[in-house]
Amino acid sequence: AQSVSQHNHHVILSEAASLELGCNYSYGGTVNLFWYVQYPGQHLQLLLKYFSGDPLVKGIKGFEAEFIKSKFSFNLRKPSVQWSDTAEYFCAVIPGANNLFFGTGTRLTVIP
Amino acid sequence: EAGVTQSPTHLIKTRGQQVTLRCSPISGHTSVYWYQQALGLGLQFLLWYDEGEERNRGNFPPRFSGRQFPNYSSELNVNALELEDSALYLCASSLRGSSYNEQFFGPGTRLTVL
Repeated sequence: AQSVSQHNHHVILSEAASLELGCNYSYGGTVNLFWYVQYPGQHLQLLLKYFSGDPLVKGIKGFEAEFIKSKFSFNLRKPSVQWSDTAEYFCAVIPGANNLFFGTGTRLTVIP
Repeated sequence: EAGVTQSPTHLIKTRGQQVTLRCSPISGHTSVYWYQQALGLGLQFLLWYDEGEERNRGNFPPRFSGRQFPNYSSELNVNALELEDSALYLCASSLRGSSYNEQFFGPGTRLTVL
């Protein structure tokens, strides 16, 4: 079945550590890719998106993601996390049609 | 500018009952999307409405239905509630149904089925 996979369910890091959250999808053809974040008690909000062009996209708050087509991956990275990055992160894919398919999410806990 | 609003915030129902959830999109947005966020399952696409029409639905039984009103607000109806319907129901809106338009999410309605 077509899907979006986030293999890390819960990641715990100390402040200043580097972050990489994995996202793989199984849809063929053209895809639009997104990372959403849900901070504690807040709505889901868009962190960054990729439609075309430079496969390295930069988002808000120092986050970036790299689209690797051959690997069907769109991993999220941040060089140095802060306590305020504690949140749940969702990878999402629109595979041509207009439905947004989400991964199951990765909970990030940053320890001060 | 007001964001996407949803009501009610929380709801407790018993098996077999029916429930209606409401969503008001951001002003100017014509597309409304419904998602179910059940524990451990991530967000599952339920329904997409645009300009009053149902454009697509996810892999959910027919007892999940909805509609979009002329003012673009939307309702999600769930009939014959089952225990596994307990979840956070999120509504999102966008300018129109396009992959290029960001979806903005509301705070959700937490439904508990006992």
